[in-house]
Amino acid sequence: NAGVTQTPKFQVLKTGQSMTLQCAQDMNHNSMYWYRQDPGMGLRLIYYSASEGTTDKGEVPNGYNVSRLNKREFSLRLESAAPSQTSVYFCASRMVAGARPPDIQYFGAGTRLSVL
Amino acid sequence: AQKITQTQPGMFVQEKEAVTLDCTYDTSDPSYGLFWYKQPSSGEMIFLIYQGSYDQQNATEGRYSLNFQKARKSANLVISASQLGDSAMYFCAMREGGKVTGANSKLTFGKGITLSVRP
Repeated sequence: NAGVTQTPKFQVLKTGQSMTLQCAQDMNHNSMYWYRQDPGMGLRLIYYSASEGTTDKGEVPNGYNVSRLNKREFSLRLESAAPSQTSVYFCASRMVAGARPPDIQYFGAGTRLSVL
Repeated sequence: AQKITQTQPGMFVQEKEAVTLDCTYDTSDPSYGLFWYKQPSSGEMIFLIYQGSYDQQNATEGRYSLNFQKARKSANLVISASQLGDSAMYFCAMREGGKVTGANSKLTFGKGITLSVRP
């Protein structure tokens, strides 16, 4: 039972470099999410995809782009990394309808990103 | 204004005792859901328990129960018979807006509470 798989687990970037965080889920979920977690801040939503083919901004979208490649995969791209993007990034997915209880988001293990 | 408030400093509990982790929320939406997640030191986010705003009874899942007081807008997590493995950070979160199964509904998280279980 893989659930939500994120790659890589760790990454160090230099300011200005770009990279893509990958996320894949095997639970046939409709919605997918990207969060960042900073000390003392809880989790904050960056972008989400309510269904295949749609993406929307969350609370902190600046500096990021996303792609919902297909139903399984949702990637997060940093075009020009900045030290302020040093954080732990979590991907999550959710079944929209039919699940009991509904609404539960299931999380990947996270990616620890440092931007120097 | 914060939608989810978790104000307790680091909490300590003796093994085998019960502990309550506080969460208050703010919403004007009549339909919402409340969640608790556990984050151990390994970093993953683990779903613990869910309470819907229209649920008549408090949610329970094994040793976890949710003390839901709708009028006070509080959703406190109660962990009974604490175990050393319960040492972790605990997050309260809320889904609001639209129908329960709405595709565009999102979670808002509190800042978390650190729980340490003493042997």
